[in-house]
Amino acid sequence: QKEVEQNSGPLSVPEGAIASLNCTYSDRGSQSFFWYRQYSGKSPELIMSIYSNGDKEDGRFTAQLNKASQYVSLLIRDSQPSDSATYLCAVNKNAGNMLTFGGGTRLMVKP
Amino acid sequence: EAGVTQFPSHSVIEKGQTVTLRCDPISGHDNLYWYRRVMGKEIKFLLHFVKESKQDESGMPNNRFLAERTGGTYSTLKVQPAELEDSGVYFCASSPRLAGVTQYFGPGTRLLVL
Repeated sequence: QKEVEQNSGPLSVPEGAIASLNCTYSDRGSQSFFWYRQYSGKSPELIMSIYSNGDKEDGRFTAQLNKASQYVSLLIRDSQPSDSATYLCAVNKNAGNMLTFGGGTRLMVKP
Repeated sequence: EAGVTQFPSHSVIEKGQTVTLRCDPISGHDNLYWYRRVMGKEIKFLLHFVKESKQDESGMPNNRFLAERTGGTYSTLKVQPAELEDSGVYFCASSPRLAGVTQYFGPGTRLLVL
């Protein structure tokens, strides 16, 4: 079992729809959770971080964390073609320590 | 403020040769990380520096890989001798020591070993 699992996709949604990206993790000691966006050939760019159970909203993005279920998700409202990218879920156990990544979900937003 | 930079952006070498990758973290960031993504796999941690000291090198695959961060500024990752399975994208990330966990990634070096 991988430490962080994501559906590789592609996840295809029409422009203006809500895109829902999911991630599960195996280590209950994980404390911090991140969503990175990566365009092809570019560096991973941090979109959201979440540390406690519940929802965290930032603009069109909402991260959701459920530690009991070891599940973290990212919702993108009003999806735009420019949101088309690979979304990477990453977790770590302690501040300042290494990130463990999932394989990423490729999102395609169709005009 | 300049982001994390990496050099070269691409490198093509033959099996058995040596390659050195360089990472310049964001100025003032004490934490520096190396990660690697091989084809079809997830990004995996290689090692972590705090200033010039290796904090965690549990992800280094074998002794053909040598990382240094002299003076606690830029870092180099040398692969000697390179093998076919070393091909992939090598990412560097940095974070400020006191601010905790957010890691900022560089654009990566794409290494192809033939």
